[in-house]
Amino acid sequence: GENVEQHPSTLSVQEGDSAVIKCTYSDSASNYFPWYKQELGKRPQLIIDIRSNVGEKKDQRIAVTLNKTAKHFSLHITETQPEDSAVYFCAASTKEAGTALIFGKGTTLSVSS
Amino acid sequence: NAGVTQTPKFQVLKTGQSMTLQCAQDMNHNSMYWYRQDPGMGLRLIYYSASEGTTDKGEVPNGYNVSRLNKREFSLRLESAAPSQTSVYFCASSGLGELFFGEGSRLTVL
Repeated sequence: GENVEQHPSTLSVQEGDSAVIKCTYSDSASNYFPWYKQELGKRPQLIIDIRSNVGEKKDQRIAVTLNKTAKHFSLHITETQPEDSAVYFCAASTKEAGTALIFGKGTTLSVSS
Repeated sequence: NAGVTQTPKFQVLKTGQSMTLQCAQDMNHNSMYWYRQDPGMGLRLIYYSASEGTTDKGEVPNGYNVSRLNKREFSLRLESAAPSQTSVYFCASSGLGELFFGEGSRLTVL
């Protein structure tokens, strides 16, 4: 089945810096790659997603890039703010979008002011 | 709309006891899921139901059973709880791709 590896497990940055989180997946049939943010004690929430027919997607300060050949995708957060501090999860799906999402182990991002 | 509602929010069990986690969604989604979250392990898929009437095993199904009662409801049962099942359990549903999670159920097995 699908296996998603996520790095780094922890990331500390200064406010205003950029943060990059990387994920690799194993199943070349995967076609949907979302990123979720989970604040302490809260439920995970979708922040951005990308499908396999697109190489990059941006939404204000966040962007996701996908390299299907290398089977990896990355989350980029620019101009980080303290409220970006959270756990971020990448995920991949081998079936229809949203079915059987397999998650990475998460990255704890700490933004200090 | 309540979104995804799961009960109970907290539960303490003794080893060998059984219990059922309930989940309901009001977004008319076809797909529903159960994940468990443990420190450093991310979100691991236990079971999912792509549509009413179907269920499939995920990454860590051992020790669990599920029932897709109708389109709205998807329950997770622990027949004989073990300390290794101490975790936070999240139910989720999806329609066009995005997963919507419930608030989570914190289960402790002593």
